[in-house]
Amino acid sequence: GAGVSQTPSNKVTEKGKYVELRCDPISGHTALYWYRQSLGQGPEFLIYFQGTGAADDSGLPNDRFFAVRPEGSVSTLKIQRTERGDSAVYLCASSLSGSGVTDTQYFGPGTRLTVL
Amino acid sequence: KQEVTQIPAALSVPEGENLVLNCSFTDSAIYNLQWFRQDPGKGLTSLLLIQSSQREQTSGRLNASLDKSSGRSTLYIAASQPGDSATYLCAVAYSGAGSYQLTFGKGTKLSVIP
Repeated sequence: GAGVSQTPSNKVTEKGKYVELRCDPISGHTALYWYRQSLGQGPEFLIYFQGTGAADDSGLPNDRFFAVRPEGSVSTLKIQRTERGDSAVYLCASSLSGSGVTDTQYFGPGTRLTVL
Repeated sequence: KQEVTQIPAALSVPEGENLVLNCSFTDSAIYNLQWFRQDPGKGLTSLLLIQSSQREQTSGRLNASLDKSSGRSTLYIAASQPGDSATYLCAVAYSGAGSYQLTFGKGTKLSVIP
């Protein structure tokens, strides 16, 4: 079956611009996570959705970052007034329930964001 | 705050050798620990998940162990192959977080030389 998909695979933008990154989770997965991975680092948690609601947004670095999941499936990560420090690979993951010790997270290929 | 450390940062071995990757975490109140593989420019592939109540998990040539009380996990790879070359990431889901979010180490970059 299809895995987690993310679009675009690469995004180059200029400082100050607005960007949207899309994630299509595995069908039937209610939990969706966004992470950010900088060069040479492990992924860092940004936000977690359970269904349509953001259940944990404690990882969002500031109010320029926002994410939605209006129908409980596709999610969009939105970044306003981009800064060079936002350059990273943005990873999306989904899991079946998000509420069990056996709940494996499945990751998409990521979107590489470059802010010039 | 949970911190995850992986040692070594990089490892190069000849094909056929058995090897061990190490992971340590500071907060033992975990739900589970997961090992992932990441190939250059790609996303993460889940290898093994060990529940907090388990001591080890096996999949093919891979065996992962967990010692929750000491905050350690190891990933054992038997009879390494060039195709095993990748970065291996360890991650924990822990009860101090607001969800089952994962906290990752920086990874161990493995090179298996033919």
